[in-house]
Amino acid sequence: DQQVKQNSPSLSVQEGRISILNCDYTNSMFDYFLWYKKYPAEGPTFLISISSIKDKNEDGRFTVFLNKSAKHLSLHIVPSQPGDSAVYFCAAIDRDDKIIFGKGTRLHILP
Amino acid sequence: SQTIHQWPATLVQPVGSPLSLECTVEGTSNPNLYWYRQAAGRGLQLLFYSVGIGQISSEVPQNLSASRPQDRQFILSSKKLLLSDSGFYLCAWTGVFSSSSYNSPLHFGNGTRLTVT
Repeated sequence: DQQVKQNSPSLSVQEGRISILNCDYTNSMFDYFLWYKKYPAEGPTFLISISSIKDKNEDGRFTVFLNKSAKHLSLHIVPSQPGDSAVYFCAAIDRDDKIIFGKGTRLHILP
Repeated sequence: SQTIHQWPATLVQPVGSPLSLECTVEGTSNPNLYWYRQAAGRGLQLLFYSVGIGQISSEVPQNLSASRPQDRQFILSSKKLLLSDSGFYLCAWTGVFSSSSYNSPLHFGNGTRLTVT
């Protein structure tokens, strides 16, 4: 049973445009969400997070939106840059500190 | 500052051989520790997590086990490796989350590429 779902395995976006990565979850007890970026053969690096009591968090080019009623969150990257090409993972934390990741979305930034 | 060490970086082991991957964290105390595996098409799969010494939660029935003999040491083991154990293994830690604000994101090691032949 997949509790955190990233339904798009890949996404291609033109450089300079907005990249929107989506994530859905099933467990209403999740109360914190994270986005990570990963390059091949490296550990993931933290991008941005959001608490379930908020609906938006912004950090530079990255903005995460949370819609609790829809159990949906999204990561917006604007403007997209070539270095943004990577796999992006959405993760959720439950009240036992268990951290569950989605399967990831591979983002390709096109020149 | 806090750092996480995970070794080895790559490992090639025959089927049926034992496995021991070690992860240590420096610069913090009482971290939450996690083992994940990245396999093709499965994203980052949580294998084990620990909120304290000797406390291990297993998420997926499998051929692997984990131990936490010391506060900042987390070990992933197997008595007999299977071909399906191949993958990229990642250790990670967080500080203890406060009830009011989660300000301690997950920090990953550089991973171990395990190939079982």
